[in-house]
Amino acid sequence: GAGVSQSPSNKVTEKGKDVELRCDPISGHTALYWYRQSLGQGLEFLIYFQGNSAPDKSGLPSDRFSAERTGGSVSTLTIQRTQQEDSAVYLCASSQGRLLGTGELFFGEGSRLTVL
Amino acid sequence: AQRVTQPEKLLSVFKGAPVELKCNYSYSGSPELFWYVQYSRQRLQLLLRHISRESIKGFTADLNKGETSFHLKKPFAQEEDSAMYYCALKPGGYQKVTFGTGTKLQVIP
Repeated sequence: GAGVSQSPSNKVTEKGKDVELRCDPISGHTALYWYRQSLGQGLEFLIYFQGNSAPDKSGLPSDRFSAERTGGSVSTLTIQRTQQEDSAVYLCASSQGRLLGTGELFFGEGSRLTVL
Repeated sequence: AQRVTQPEKLLSVFKGAPVELKCNYSYSGSPELFWYVQYSRQRLQLLLRHISRESIKGFTADLNKGETSFHLKKPFAQEEDSAMYYCALKPGGYQKVTFGTGTKLQVIP
């Protein structure tokens, strides 16, 4: 596709349920990021994938959060036993990630998660 | 570890007034610096990068290595500039990009 695609765009779930959020990066982009944007807040880094390297998970807020990236392309962010404080917009971004690349991140439109 | 600081959470200016959004960073090497913007109901997008030395929508930003700053400036604010602005740092190699906490710019008509 032409840009980063995220699904679902909106997700309403009940507290305690698990959710999966999907990100389709730009083809050929080796770097992929997940961020969280709570209402009125800035970007909160969650996890970073770069090629085949072990992901940087330092931003994941708890062990209820996990992410994987299959085949170096599509990524899924999973939140288990959702809590109300997990309500936020989850943003995915990708970049070329090359040593001499521009470093520009291309963002998806986000998945808005509401936990009732 | 690198850090990006945007001291102002909210900046309100009148239309036609100059704008300066502050960004300071800490990093021991030579990073790339960026400004990203998020307009209402739009996705986050790149505004400008220090390497390009360009002016986009009237905005400029100069990298000051001595002060470790990359402030975003515009001489005359427009209402359409109202948005959330993020400063970002990319270290060399394959290290991850780090964002500041963002500044909401509100241009008052």
